[in-house]
Amino acid sequence: AQSVTQLGSHVSVSEGALVLLRCNYSSSVPPYLFWYVQYPNQGLQLLLKYTSAATLVKGINGFEAEFKKSETSFHLTKPSAHMSDAAEYFCAVTEGTGGFKTIFGAGTRLFVKA
Amino acid sequence: DTGVSQDPRHKITKRGQNVTFRCDPISEHNRLYWYRQTLGQGPEFLTYFQNEAQLEKSRLLSDRFSAERPKGSFSTLEIQRTEQGDSAMYLCASSGSGTLSTDTQYFGPGTRLTVL
Repeated sequence: AQSVTQLGSHVSVSEGALVLLRCNYSSSVPPYLFWYVQYPNQGLQLLLKYTSAATLVKGINGFEAEFKKSETSFHLTKPSAHMSDAAEYFCAVTEGTGGFKTIFGAGTRLFVKA
Repeated sequence: DTGVSQDPRHKITKRGQNVTFRCDPISEHNRLYWYRQTLGQGPEFLTYFQNEAQLEKSRLLSDRFSAERPKGSFSTLEIQRTEQGDSAMYLCASSGSGTLSTDTQYFGPGTRLTVL
């Protein structure tokens, strides 16, 4: 069975500082991995996805994530936080063999201090 | 492309009542998904459709829950005999007709259900 663990339900950074949101996954088959963002009162929006091509994936709004099979991790980073990055971030996994069931982590709320 | 829409956005009901939610996917998408999200948690997969066929259901989807997509376009999610534990945000998403599960899912704004 697949699962996703997001370390830290809340992360607080200063504006301009590095953003690091951690995600570890468990999957018995090669996974496809996703990061979604949810702004208050809005639907989830895809930030980026890993689909077994390049291990370093670049997404929207300056975010990127690196797939590390040996560490079963897919951490999300952004070099310099902006106030507008404050939101809830979800890591998700689907089976890489054609299954469409998506498993989400519990989410990490990012706070950005001025 | 008007995005995924859900109706109603909010629903308050009394315990024991039945409720039905509607989801209209992006028009050219043939896959449609339902999720439930409770406070402080990520979305939990409930079920998904490819066209009108319901291909997978979570065990979370008890016999009080039923979902349909009769013509392969909009979908409805019905909850019978609601319980307070059903209070949550119900999310709908749709994706295109690719053969891989890497297709981007586009989410609607959700329907917030409160069971009193």
